[in-house]
Amino acid sequence: TQLLEQSPQFLSIQEGENLTVYCNSSSVFSSLQWYRQEPGEGPVLLVTVVTGGEVKKLKRLTFQFGDARKDSSLHITAAQTGDTGLYLCAGIPGGSYIPTFGRGTSLIVHP
Amino acid sequence: EAQVTQNPRYLITVTGKKLTVTCSQNMNHEYMSWYRQDPGLGLRQIYYSMNVEVTDKGDVPEGYKVSRKEKRNFPLILESPSPNQTSLYFCASSFRRTGDGYTFGSGTRLTVV
Repeated sequence: TQLLEQSPQFLSIQEGENLTVYCNSSSVFSSLQWYRQEPGEGPVLLVTVVTGGEVKKLKRLTFQFGDARKDSSLHITAAQTGDTGLYLCAGIPGGSYIPTFGRGTSLIVHP
Repeated sequence: EAQVTQNPRYLITVTGKKLTVTCSQNMNHEYMSWYRQDPGLGLRQIYYSMNVEVTDKGDVPEGYKVSRKEKRNFPLILESPSPNQTSLYFCASSFRRTGDGYTFGSGTRLTVV
């Protein structure tokens, strides 16, 4: 059973467009992480959100943790070709430090 | 540089020939883990270790073994590889604190023919 659902599974856009990807669960998490994985490499941590309703910004990327700590979103403003990659969310259940990964959103940004 | 180092990056082997994929981290992390990544299935945990001499099964442990004799090393052993173990493998490590992110290795692409 997959605890974390990511949508959309695939996204193909033009440079300069905005986009949002979602990470949803029926479970409550103590924190949630977002990673980006480029082809041929391992995932790299982008951000960790820990408080319900929390919003974090990383340049053009905005991450939000849902009020109930069951879901999260990643919004990219004015996408660039360098944003191309697989975006993974990972939820950490309460009392644990072992994350459960979603299957990812594969983003392609065309020049 | 803080990193997780996996070797080899690419490996083609034949069914039944034992192999070991090495993983080493230089960050003094207590927690280490192995994942396999397959199209449409995402990252699935094979084994993990909370500290030296402490290992536990993840979601897909069948056909794999691990050991944690030293804090920095966590090798993955395939005693008798089969074609369904063809996959992209990642080693990862972190401190044992809630919310700390993983540092991943660059991956090992294994093909079993």
